[in-house]
Amino acid sequence: LAKTTQPISMDSYEGQEVNITCSHNNIATNDYITWYQQFPSQGPRFIIQGYKTKVTNEVASLFIPADRKSSTLSLPRVSLSDTAVYYCLVGDNNAGNMLTFGGGTRLMVKP
Amino acid sequence: EPEVTQTPSHQVTQMGQEVILRCVPISNHLYFYWYRQILGQKVEFLVSFYNNEISEKSEIFDDQFSVERPDGSNFTLKIRSTKLEDSAMYFCASKFRDGNSPLHFGNGTRLTVT
Repeated sequence: LAKTTQPISMDSYEGQEVNITCSHNNIATNDYITWYQQFPSQGPRFIIQGYKTKVTNEVASLFIPADRKSSTLSLPRVSLSDTAVYYCLVGDNNAGNMLTFGGGTRLMVKP
Repeated sequence: EPEVTQTPSHQVTQMGQEVILRCVPISNHLYFYWYRQILGQKVEFLVSFYNNEISEKSEIFDDQFSVERPDGSNFTLKIRSTKLEDSAMYFCASKFRDGNSPLHFGNGTRLTVT
């Protein structure tokens, strides 16, 4: 299983763009990169997933360089409600394979 | 949007008692998971389940734990004889059959063992 490394915490201010980088040096060919968001006392919520290059949806963008050894979650113009823990998961998405959560990045958005 | 639902939201039990945590996965999902999160710690994988059998399980998922899909909608986690250290949030998750689809999590059951 690919191990992931993320900053433990980040601070930002409302309206700023936030970029959270995850390192996954031993990512395997079949592995996808998935980001989840978790608020206190709630289950993790899927944000975005990618394999290579760039993926964008209505809430975030995911940048993956050609070597796929890292990825960056980009949150445009954060608000106070984006304060949460963000997890980067790397794994073979074939059903049944366990996906392992790392420690995550605790993002604090300040007014 | 369909969601994974878990009941109860909070369960208090005495050490040594059996508990059953219940989950209703999203209806067209075929792969089911249990994770747990001890307060202040990271989310830990317990078990994955497909086609009425366990696909993978972690070291945490010992003989005290079992899972079952008793009917077409429910997915349960049973802890036979609870210990104090089983106190945690337990999250159920499911995914669609497609290999690239993400996990969808419920909002968890907070288990408190006294």
